[in-house]
Amino acid sequence: QKEVEQNSGPLSVPEGAIASLNCTYSDRGSQSFFWYRQYSGKSPELIMSIYSNGDKEDGRFTAQLNKASQYVSLLIRDSQPSDSATYLCAVNVLDSNYQLIWGAGTKLIIKP
Amino acid sequence: DVKVTQSSRYLVKRTGEKVFLECVQDMDHENMFWYRQDPGLGLRLIYFSYDVKMKEKGDIPEGYSVSREKKERFSLILESASTNQTSMYLCASGWGQPVETQYFGPGTRLLVL
Repeated sequence: QKEVEQNSGPLSVPEGAIASLNCTYSDRGSQSFFWYRQYSGKSPELIMSIYSNGDKEDGRFTAQLNKASQYVSLLIRDSQPSDSATYLCAVNVLDSNYQLIWGAGTKLIIKP
Repeated sequence: DVKVTQSSRYLVKRTGEKVFLECVQDMDHENMFWYRQDPGLGLRLIYFSYDVKMKEKGDIPEGYSVSREKKERFSLILESASTNQTSMYLCASGWGQPVETQYFGPGTRLLVL
């Protein structure tokens, strides 16, 4: 059974601090990893994708991938109240060109 | 800007009714997807399509069917709605093999009474 695990939270972080979100996956051969943000009552939107081991930075966001340990994380620097949302981790299915497996999401709350 | 639209934001139906949910994308994407999202369960794939008239079952296809007669349009059909199909339904589209970014519509919140 292919799985993507995330802590459901809520994760509460003070404004201006670093928020760290984690995701583990079961399919060792997975190659594509995605972080989506979903505001309450809205649909998911892509924040970052990562395909290689190491860090990938985009503005205040950094995705980190460690394929050996089968985890991917998202760091949000200088957290803002507008970052409060649920963050979904998605991983490609090895034997499918089309399917992603989704985590249930981590709810992040940034406290002013 | 990529735009994915869904026919309804909110829908209330009765048990046993046939329900049609429609999704349209304007970016010429080959791939289209139907998910349902329930609290604590994440996104679960119902069906997807990688080309016109082509469809593949996802993880939870029972009780659903789909239709893709045109590239831009992907319809989800609940043949006989049941209360356990009350959920948020999300359509997505994207390109690439393997899959790249998926772009989501606003969602349809369906209540089956």
